[in-house]
Amino acid sequence: EPEVTQTPSHQVTQMGQEVILRCVPISNHLYFYWYRQILGQKVEFLVSFYNNEISEKSEIFDDQFSVERPDGSNFTLKIRSTKLEDSAMYFCASSEAGFSYEQYFGPGTRLTVT
Amino acid sequence: AQKVTQAQTEISVVEKEDVTLDCVYETRDTTYYLFWYKQPPSGELVFLIRRNSFDEQNEISGRYSWNFQKSTSSFNFTITASQVVDSAVYFCALRNSGYALNFGKGTSLLVTP
Repeated sequence: EPEVTQTPSHQVTQMGQEVILRCVPISNHLYFYWYRQILGQKVEFLVSFYNNEISEKSEIFDDQFSVERPDGSNFTLKIRSTKLEDSAMYFCASSEAGFSYEQYFGPGTRLTVT
Repeated sequence: AQKVTQAQTEISVVEKEDVTLDCVYETRDTTYYLFWYKQPPSGELVFLIRRNSFDEQNEISGRYSWNFQKSTSSFNFTITASQVVDSAVYFCALRNSGYALNFGKGTSLLVTP
């Protein structure tokens, strides 16, 4: 069964460093998403991406964040200058189409900022 | 504004008991979608069900069933004859006019032998 994959599973970085989180969405899916979950809290939407552009973003997704689809399979989230409060689990998701379709999530990348 | 409330923070049951997880939502839209996801201890988010606002039929899938009632803005999830493997955090989520899933805070279910 096709699944969303994410690398790395755990990333430790120092405050102020740039990190790139990588995702490979399900191959026939057209919409891609990033969410984050701070430990013990609910899952929060960051951004959605379709047709090589951002279709929606939340207030959390400020200028420190960017997304890219560098090739036909990868989808990345970059955090330019990490802060302690960026420590969280970051989930990538994809869906076949937009509004009415379920989103399938990857296993997550745990980001720890020290 | 949209909001999802899962008032039960933690539930503990003994194996084989039935358990219902509550979800109440708020939205001004007439077209919206509701979802349930499971997050086992391993941490991934597993899709369980999607329901659109025009379909109030209840759904049953094995030991799982869902009760959608627009009149009370609720989308409750029942596990029949619970098993230890059902132990997880369960999230209800709402999606209306945008792309984002708006999650509730989750209910942590512990099933003990």
